[in-house]
Amino acid sequence: DIQMTQSPSSLSASVGDRVTITCRASQNIRDYLNWYQQEPGKAPKVLIFAASSLQSGVPARFSGSGSGTDFTLTISSLQPEDFATYFCQQTFMTPRTFGGGTKVEI
Amino acid sequence: QVRLQESGPGLVKPSETLSLTCTVSNFSIYNYFWTWIRQPPGKGLEWIGHIYSSGVPNYNPSLKSRLSMSVDTSKNQFSLDLRSVTAADTALYYCARVNITVSGVSMMDVWGQGTAVTVSS
Repeated sequence: DIQMTQSPSSLSASVGDRVTITCRASQNIRDYLNWYQQEPGKAPKVLIFAASSLQSGVPARFSGSGSGTDFTLTISSLQPEDFATYFCQQTFMTPRTFGGGTKVEI
Repeated sequence: QVRLQESGPGLVKPSETLSLTCTVSNFSIYNYFWTWIRQPPGKGLEWIGHIYSSGVPNYNPSLKSRLSMSVDTSKNQFSLDLRSVTAADTALYYCARVNITVSGVSMMDVWGQGTAVTVSS
């Protein structure tokens, strides 16, 4: 299985901050990397697919970059509704695997 | 608006079979992959497997020996059976649609709200 390692596992930030979350794959997954946001008590929601493509309806303050094994999710200016947990997921091969999550807290 | 709704018992006894169904509304189940994801309490996400509308499944090897998935196109539903459950199978179970872009990248773009399943006697 491809292992996905996210860091940090949690972070504290303030409204307006620039936040960066990283995800590392245990092998080359090209750009087969998605980012999801999960608010408390809700299902995950896709933010970024194919490493850097913004899903329709997602605010432009979210961006993704990377290819191969190292990926980054950036929130350019954190908003109150962005306090949530973020997961990366590889879809290069099955079984699909997720990172352990990054909880963004105030 | 596409909606997915999980249904099934919230409590299952150890060694029995966990059966869940996902009903898809406002969208045809045909020509798409459909997936199950679970999340143990306070933990991360685990991919259980996916199934194409034709009924061809792909299972997580860690669950493969206990797992069956099926599709009922007449009801626009897909289902999961997990046999011989233990407390480790206690989780929030989600169903989701798999959308594949023109470049071949897949993502889970529509999710159900999730259904909590507890394995306990």
